[in-house]
Amino acid sequence: GEDVEQSLFLSVREGDSSVINCTYTDSSSTYLYWYKQEPGAGLQLLTYIFSNMDMKQDQRLTVLLNKKDKHLSLRIADTQTGDSAIYFCAQGGGGNKLTFGTGTQLKVEL
Amino acid sequence: GAGVSQSPSNKVTEKGKDVELRCDPISGHTALYWYRQSLGQGLEFLIYFQGNSAPDKSGLPSDRFSAERTGGSVSTLTIQRTQQEDSAVYLCASFKTSGPGTQYFGPGTRLTVL
Repeated sequence: GEDVEQSLFLSVREGDSSVINCTYTDSSSTYLYWYKQEPGAGLQLLTYIFSNMDMKQDQRLTVLLNKKDKHLSLRIADTQTGDSAIYFCAQGGGGNKLTFGTGTQLKVEL
Repeated sequence: GAGVSQSPSNKVTEKGKDVELRCDPISGHTALYWYRQSLGQGLEFLIYFQGNSAPDKSGLPSDRFSAERTGGSVSTLTIQRTQQEDSAVYLCASFKTSGPGTQYFGPGTRLTVL
């Protein structure tokens, strides 16, 4: 079945880069997504990558996709305290049901 | 509206009571999901509506849970005879099925069963 795994927790210092990793199982996924959830709020789409791409950059965010290893990562450059949140990886798209990971809680320390 | 809305934002109920949670999706979005997020947990898929097709109910945890979507728009999730383990945040998301199929989430309803 479909499964998405993430580490549960990541702590970084303000100004450093954060790298959040995700592994997935469904090689037929059309798109892979990163969502952000701030405390007490719903999920907000950060970015997505089409499955035939290796990399996508959007301002401070860089998404890397390794299809061979079914590995997705999100790099946040110059991490700020406002980046503290839970980050969810998801696979699917194109009309298919999305499967979400358990989320990685990012804590940014001063 | 500008985004997905859900009501109520908070619901406290007694064990054994029935509750109804409402989701208003983005206009024009043909698909709608319900998820459950328990404290410290990821998203648990509950049910998926796509257009006029039969809903995918494979994630509903028991027959106490049901959902409907009227007119391809507003959806209601009903939990009968609530139990304490039903306490969670219930999230609704809508999306277009063309393109990336990006899901847009509502703010959720926090359900507390005493």
